[in-house]
Amino acid sequence: EAQVTQNPRYLITVTGKKLTVTCSQNMNHEYMSWYRQDPGLGLRQIYYSMNVEVTDKGDVPEGYKVSRKEKRNFPLILESPSPNQTSLYFCASSFRQGAPYEQYFGPGTRLTVT
Amino acid sequence: DAKTTQPNSMESNEEEPVHLPCNHSTISGTDYIHWYRQLPSQGPEYVIHGLTSNVNNRMASPAIAEDRKSSTLILHRATLRDAAVYYCILHAYSGAGSYQLTFGKGTKLSVIP
Repeated sequence: EAQVTQNPRYLITVTGKKLTVTCSQNMNHEYMSWYRQDPGLGLRQIYYSMNVEVTDKGDVPEGYKVSRKEKRNFPLILESPSPNQTSLYFCASSFRQGAPYEQYFGPGTRLTVT
Repeated sequence: DAKTTQPNSMESNEEEPVHLPCNHSTISGTDYIHWYRQLPSQGPEYVIHGLTSNVNNRMASPAIAEDRKSSTLILHRATLRDAAVYYCILHAYSGAGSYQLTFGKGTKLSVIP
């Protein structure tokens, strides 16, 4: 089954403790992206990657890092999480970047930073 | 940034067609209109997209105005499973070789049995 998977689905952590949220897709998609969703603010893009070893900032990249060493994986790294990074995170992928291509979203990771 | 405007919420009766409006007066000629929906506790789900109205699937059709400044997502027959937040999005070129989906607040659709 074609899908985007994220792990963990739920995570509670403390301020400053480094964490990684994994994202994997099995569709051989070139483009991958991370979003966060907050009440009243909608979905906002954090980082995206157009292909292996190519990443760029989205609208809200501060406090986050990403890497794209393999085509299928695009982990989101929070080196020193803070409470304002408490949010619902979604990973997405598409065949390639561009207006005609639809994005496939993962099930989400709910992160709480205390 | 190309933006869209949608009503905050709408209601529909089950098994009736639903028309979800979207205004996008700043659309450019190369922007695609995408529709996604998000069911409670799930990630956004692709519905349909198009440049003009010549696309269709068994679930929905995007009726795009001739001047492309507005569009309507038509759900052919609403079911309870269609209750979700629907996002109308312009998939637009955002500079430096990059395209971006910019989500607004969407329309929360309630389906009445």
